[in-house]
Amino acid sequence: GAGVSQSPSNKVTEKGKDVELRCDPISGHTALYWYRQSLGQGLEFLIYFQGNSAPDKSGLPSDRFSAERTGGSVSTLTIQRTQQEDSAVYLCASSSGQINPKFNTEAFFGQGTRLTVV
Amino acid sequence: KQEVTQIPAALSVPEGENLVLNCSFTDSAIYNLQWFRQDPGKGLTSLLLIQSSQREQTSGRLNASLDKSSGRSTLYIAASQPGDSATYLCAVRLSAGNMLTFGGGTRLMVKP
Repeated sequence: GAGVSQSPSNKVTEKGKDVELRCDPISGHTALYWYRQSLGQGLEFLIYFQGNSAPDKSGLPSDRFSAERTGGSVSTLTIQRTQQEDSAVYLCASSSGQINPKFNTEAFFGQGTRLTVV
Repeated sequence: KQEVTQIPAALSVPEGENLVLNCSFTDSAIYNLQWFRQDPGKGLTSLLLIQSSQREQTSGRLNASLDKSSGRSTLYIAASQPGDSATYLCAVRLSAGNMLTFGGGTRLMVKP
């Protein structure tokens, strides 16, 4: 696609329910990133994918959070047993991820999914 | 651990002023640095990307400079307009396949 696409754009869920957030990166981008932005806060790194593998999961806040990426394209972030503190905007970004400096590794972000846990 | 700081946290200027936003980072061994704009309730829009070998990049009224040795970057906005009002974020990447580390942002308001 032309840009990074995230769905849904808004999600309201009850405390304790599971949610899935989807990210469709720019075609051909091998690197994919998930960030979280709580109200009035900065961007918090969650997880990074290179292809289908996740070399850096250091930012996942708890074992209720997991993410996968299949086929080197679409990624899903799953939050189990949601809590009110999970309410935030979840942002996805992609870039070429190539090591060769000739490749432009500019990161492009989607519009985010606003998650509200009630 | 890479830390990124942006000063000031908020800035209010009258329309037409030239302004400078600052970004500093603790680990100078960066791969590149990227400036973004975020409008309220929206995602991030990429403004400029500076590779580690570059000193500056320009796009329209925006000019970003990079001084790796001192761990600093500046975003210069010429002839500011009310439409420039947004939060400006800088982010650094330590290697091509590495995550972006963000600063806290500068919230800019340009008054008509």
